[in-house]
Amino acid sequence: DIQMTQSPSSLSASVGDRVIITCQASQDISNYLNWYQQKPGKAPKLLIYDASNLEPGVPSRFSGGGSGTDFSFTISSLQPEDIATYYCQQYDNLPSFGPGTKVDI
Amino acid sequence: EVQLVESGGGLVQPGGSLRLSCAASGFTFDDYALHWVRLTPGKGLEWVSGIKWNSGSVVYADSVRGRFTVSRDNAKNSLYLQMSSLRVEDTALYYCARDKYSSPNYYFDYWGQGTLVTVSS
Repeated sequence: DIQMTQSPSSLSASVGDRVIITCQASQDISNYLNWYQQKPGKAPKLLIYDASNLEPGVPSRFSGGGSGTDFSFTISSLQPEDIATYYCQQYDNLPSFGPGTKVDI
Repeated sequence: EVQLVESGGGLVQPGGSLRLSCAASGFTFDDYALHWVRLTPGKGLEWVSGIKWNSGSVVYADSVRGRFTVSRDNAKNSLYLQMSSLRVEDTALYYCARDKYSSPNYYFDYWGQGTLVTVSS
């Protein structure tokens, strides 16, 4: 099984700050990585697929990068509506999710 | 508008069974693979099972293989999860999720709101 780790587990930042979350896979997964946002009481939402592709309709302040085992997710200018937990998910084999990063303002 | 609405959750004793349903609308149901994903406070998000558009391929997580059965009825635009031999660790909020593709490729682009399953004596 491919294990996913995320860092940090939680963070608090100010409106307008640049926020970076990292995700690491236990083995090479090429670019088979997605990022999701889950707001409290809501279903997860796909933001980034194939490591760096923005899902249609998702604001351009969200971006992703990386390949192999190390990936990053960036919010270029944090907005109040970005309060959520963010998960990475690999799909090189059967899918697995990272433990999540809770973002607060 | 794509909508996925889960139902069938509830309280069940360890060793018991439960059948979850997911009613879909707003898209051509038989163009897409579908999945079940669960959320627990302790383990976070865990993919459970996926099924191809024509039911020709089904996949399961190791943790549920042999106990859970996924199926779909394209005539009714519905997805199902038959759960048996339930364990306390199966307690979770169960989501229905659509794949971007007709076969399981694990891009979950739309999700329902979830149905809660509690396994407890």
